[in-house]
Amino acid sequence: QITLRESGPTLVKPTETLRLTCTFSGFSLSTSGVAVGWIRQPPGKALEWVALIYWNDDKRYSPALRSRLTITKDTSKNQVVLTMTNMDPVDTATYHCAHSFKGGSGWAFDYWGQGTLVTVSS
Amino acid sequence: QSVLTQPPSVSGAPGQRVTISCTGSSSNIGAGLDVHWYQQLPGAAPKLLIFGNSNRPSGVPDRFSGSKSGTSASLAITGLQAEDEADYYCQSYDISLNSWVFGGGTKLTVL
Repeated sequence: QITLRESGPTLVKPTETLRLTCTFSGFSLSTSGVAVGWIRQPPGKALEWVALIYWNDDKRYSPALRSRLTITKDTSKNQVVLTMTNMDPVDTATYHCAHSFKGGSGWAFDYWGQGTLVTVSS
Repeated sequence: QSVLTQPPSVSGAPGQRVTISCTGSSSNIGAGLDVHWYQQLPGAAPKLLIFGNSNRPSGVPDRFSGSKSGTSASLAITGLQAEDEADYYCQSYDISLNSWVFGGGTKLTVL
């Protein structure tokens, strides 16, 4: 059974750095063909893909956020960490991590964490 | 403005059939990239409903089906039920942006 859980601060100040941890179970991020992504959702708005890391440590970032993001994995701890610098109120959102697999010609997100609401405010 | 365009809302009566469209371009759906669909119930995390254009994960009722043609894809829900009331999102990959992309979401109301 695959589960994922996000953890991190619920409130950050503008210009601060956000560090979110995704702790998962039921799969290994060292297994070929597996990835973990981060997707965020501002209150009342649509889903937005943020970043993804593959089993082979290849990393992908949203072009709009690339300069501010770092994604890393610790396979021994079954964790993925997302770091986002220079936080702004527009970054206020629920941040989800999700297990990803190659479904056809593209990667889909089949298991999601409940998400953690991050508010950016002074 | 989302790369994938969905209608903001659709509605239908119990038992009816509704469809939700997802329109992309030649750099995503039209480039042969697969479309995936998610259902998000109020206050919950998204749930994968359809992957690879038309495949249902285990446990998803066959009332849900997906299709793709050209630069668009569609999600169809037959035998509409009250518990289907949710937000629905399409997702694909855009080769020009080098980014996974989501639609703007469609709110389904069961009348």
